[in-house]
Amino acid sequence: EVQLVESGGGLVQPGESLRLSCAASGFTFSTDWMSWVRQAPGKGLEWVARIKEDGSEKTYVDSVKGRFTISRDNAKSSLYLQMNSLRVEDTAIYYCGRGGSWYWNLGQGTLVTVSS
Amino acid sequence: EIVLTQSPGTLSLSPGERATLSCRSSQSVRSNYLAWYQQKPGQAPRLFIYGASSRATGIPDRFSGSGSGTDFTLTISRLEPEDFGVYHCQQYGSLPWTFGQGTKVEIK
Repeated sequence: EVQLVESGGGLVQPGESLRLSCAASGFTFSTDWMSWVRQAPGKGLEWVARIKEDGSEKTYVDSVKGRFTISRDNAKSSLYLQMNSLRVEDTAIYYCGRGGSWYWNLGQGTLVTVSS
Repeated sequence: EIVLTQSPGTLSLSPGERATLSCRSSQSVRSNYLAWYQQKPGQAPRLFIYGASSRATGIPDRFSGSGSGTDFTLTISRLEPEDFGVYHCQQYGSLPWTFGQGTKVEIK
C-alpha cells in the first residue's frame, strides 16, 4: 500500500522559513516524479513544485520561484520542500504527491499557517 | 496559464441519479491531459480519472471521463452514497499545471 506522510508544518510569521518532509513507502520512490500541491483554507488545489526521479529537473509555480526549493533523498525515500520568505498567502495544507503530472497518490497533508 | 472552470458549483442529487460534471478550459488542453480527483472533508484528494478518460486503479466503472480540447466531463452513471464529495479537475498539458475550483456533489 502506498503511503505518503507529510510533516514539518506549523505556525510561522511572515518572512520566516519552514521545511516540509514527506516519507514515502509502498512503491519504488526512486523511479517516480514527486510533487507538492497545496490547498488554501476553503480554496481549490494549486500545484507548487515537482522534481524528477533523479532530482535533475525541478519545476515551480511562479508564485514560489526563488523562495521554495524542492529536493529528494532517494536513499531515504523522502521528499522535501524548503520554504523561505514565507508570506501570508502561502497559508495552506501542503500535500506530497506521487507523480509529476497527475498524482497517483496524495498524502494527508501538513498545515502551514503564516500569520503575524 | 490555463484557467479551468468547473460547473456547476454544487450539484444536489439523490442516490441512484446520474451526475454530470463539467470542466472547461481557457485554452485547448494538450493531448487531453486532464485528470479528475475526488476529495472528502478532511481527506486528501484521490485520483479518479487521468488522460481525460482512463480510470485509476480501483475506481468503479460507473465513473467515466470524456471530452477533448477545451470541454471535459465527468459522469457518474448512478450515484452511490460514497460518491458524495468535491470533484476537482486538473490539466497537466501546459505548465503550470492548474486545477478547477471544484464541484461539490451533495445529497439532495
